[in-house]
Amino acid sequence: DVKVTQSSRYLVKRTGEKVFLECVQDMDHENMFWYRQDPGLGLRLIYFSYDVKMKEKGDIPEGYSVSREKKERFSLILESASTNQTSMYLCASSLKGHGMWANQPQHFGDGTRLSIL
Amino acid sequence: DQQVKQNSPSLSVQEGRISILNCDYTNSMFDYFLWYKKYPAEGPTFLISISSIKDKNEDGRFTVFLNKSAKHLSLHIVPSQPGDSAVYFCAASDSNSGYALNFGKGTSLLVTP
Repeated sequence: DVKVTQSSRYLVKRTGEKVFLECVQDMDHENMFWYRQDPGLGLRLIYFSYDVKMKEKGDIPEGYSVSREKKERFSLILESASTNQTSMYLCASSLKGHGMWANQPQHFGDGTRLSIL
Repeated sequence: DQQVKQNSPSLSVQEGRISILNCDYTNSMFDYFLWYKKYPAEGPTFLISISSIKDKNEDGRFTVFLNKSAKHLSLHIVPSQPGDSAVYFCAASDSNSGYALNFGKGTSLLVTP
């Protein structure tokens, strides 16, 4: 079974702090993703990565950055936390499929509920 | 702009009956579609997927139907069980543009005994 582990289930930080959310997967997946989930808005993609040291902006990258130094680890960084970044953050990973197996499902961690006070 | 839409925020079904969850999309380049199930305080769990070259995919009690001309897909759960009560998300991707998924806002399914 794919295991995607997010370092914290709940986190409380203060406005202006630099916040790190960590995600580790154990299935040697090439692709990793960070989403946030808000009531009435579903899941929105923040950043993703196809390979080590590689990153791509998603739909809502403003106020965030990411780091992928090792294949199994993908970190989300809130440079200067603000109250509108209070949310549930979800990390996911997937295989990089090829040819007729190009499409692969993403597997999610249990999420980090982040509150910015 | 929401490219994947789930127009029913909630659905209530009796145990043993069929649950039908619907999803519409606007991007004709989408070629891979998935359904996820999410319980409170847990991450989404992958349920079933379908490629655009097929119109039906079945896995146990779950069947996904794809109507490309209508840009519509649906998830059928038969028979519905109380443990199926959760939020269901529809997602889609365009494999030529990368691997990112576009999610709908979700439908909350309640299966009553």
